[in-house]
Amino acid sequence: DQQVKQNSPSLSVQEGRISILNCDYTNSMFDYFLWYKKYPAEGPTFLISISSIKDKNEDGRFTVFLNKSAKHLSLHIVPSQPGDSAVYFCAALGGNTGKLIFGQGTTLQVKP
Amino acid sequence: TAGITQAPTSQILAAGRSMTLRCTQDMRHNAMYWYRQDLGLGLRLIHYSNTAGTTGKGEVPDGYSVSRANTDDFPLTLASAVPSQTSVYFCASSEQEGNTEAFFGQGTRLTVV
Repeated sequence: DQQVKQNSPSLSVQEGRISILNCDYTNSMFDYFLWYKKYPAEGPTFLISISSIKDKNEDGRFTVFLNKSAKHLSLHIVPSQPGDSAVYFCAALGGNTGKLIFGQGTTLQVKP
Repeated sequence: TAGITQAPTSQILAAGRSMTLRCTQDMRHNAMYWYRQDLGLGLRLIHYSNTAGTTGKGEVPDGYSVSRANTDDFPLTLASAVPSQTSVYFCASSEQEGNTEAFFGQGTRLTVV
């Protein structure tokens, strides 16, 4: 059973607008959440993270929000830029294995 | 540049043949991981190693084996490849087990025919 879910396979936004990528999880034992970004033919690279004791973490244009009661987190990118076009993976750490568990990924396209 | 190096970049393999995917890191990280990426399924953990000399099974370990003879190298072996093992394979490492940030290699695209 998928413990980390990204239900939107793709998202398209206009340059300058906000991109919102969503992620849901089922395991309440997760204690850390991360977002990775992946360009074609490259490995995923770490983007931003949030501890389960916080509800928001901001780094420049990227902000991650965590709603523990809803078991939901989201990544906001504002303003979106064409270079942000990539696959974004949500990941969770902790639970039973102590290993990173990834979602299915969301492909973001930012149109100029 | 420093980091994680995977080889080969891509490979076409006949079903039933064996193959070893290589992974080397120069960051002296203790923990290393192998993931496979499949459309609609994201990244799934195959095997991991928390430190040299130890290994463990991830979500999808069947058909794969690993070894960790030293800190730097973490090869993944397919003893008898099957078409369902067609995937993109990523090696990753982190300073310690459970460390938040994992660093990934560039991936190996494997096609089993």
